[in-house]
Amino acid sequence: DIQMTQSPSSVSASVGDRVTITCRASQYISTWLAWYQQEPGKAPKLLIYAASSLQSGVPSRFSGSGSGTEFTLTISSLQPEDFATYYCQQANSFPFTFGPGTKVDVK
Amino acid sequence: QVQLQQWGAGLLKPSETLSLTCAVSGGSFSGYYWTWIRQFPGKGLEWIGDINHSGSTDYNPSLKSRVTISVDTSTNQFSLKMTSVTAADTAVYYCACPRGGANWFDPWGQGTLVTVSS
Repeated sequence: DIQMTQSPSSVSASVGDRVTITCRASQYISTWLAWYQQEPGKAPKLLIYAASSLQSGVPSRFSGSGSGTEFTLTISSLQPEDFATYYCQQANSFPFTFGPGTKVDVK
Repeated sequence: QVQLQQWGAGLLKPSETLSLTCAVSGGSFSGYYWTWIRQFPGKGLEWIGDINHSGSTDYNPSLKSRVTISVDTSTNQFSLKMTSVTAADTAVYYCACPRGGANWFDPWGQGTLVTVSS
């Protein structure tokens, strides 16, 4: 199985801050990577797919980059509704696997 | 757009069989691999498996011996059965729709908390 890691595991930030989350895959996955946002009590929501493509309806302050084994999710200016947990997921090969999550909370 | 509504028993005893169903509405049922994913209390996510409208399946090897995913094209529903559950299977179970011909998922069902306890 491809192992996914994320760093940091949590980040404390303020509204307006730039936040960057890193995801690493244990094997080469090209750009077969997605990012999700999960609010408490809700299902994950797809933000970014194919490493850098913005899902329809997702604000442009979210962006993704990377390829191969290292990827980043950036929130350019954190908004109150962005305090949540973020997960990466590889879609390169079975079984599809997720990172452990990064919780963005209020500083 | 596609909407997923899921249901099933939420409290099981060890060794019982988990059974969940997900109904798809608002979009095409064929052409997708309908998926089950679970999230443990510690928040980790695990892909369980998927099925297409023809009944072709993929399973996570770690669960393959206990899991069966089936499909009913007459009702646009797909189901998950997991046998011999233990406390380690306690999780929120989601059904999900893959997007864009690839295996990233949107939307997800509302989730069903399944608790395994004696």
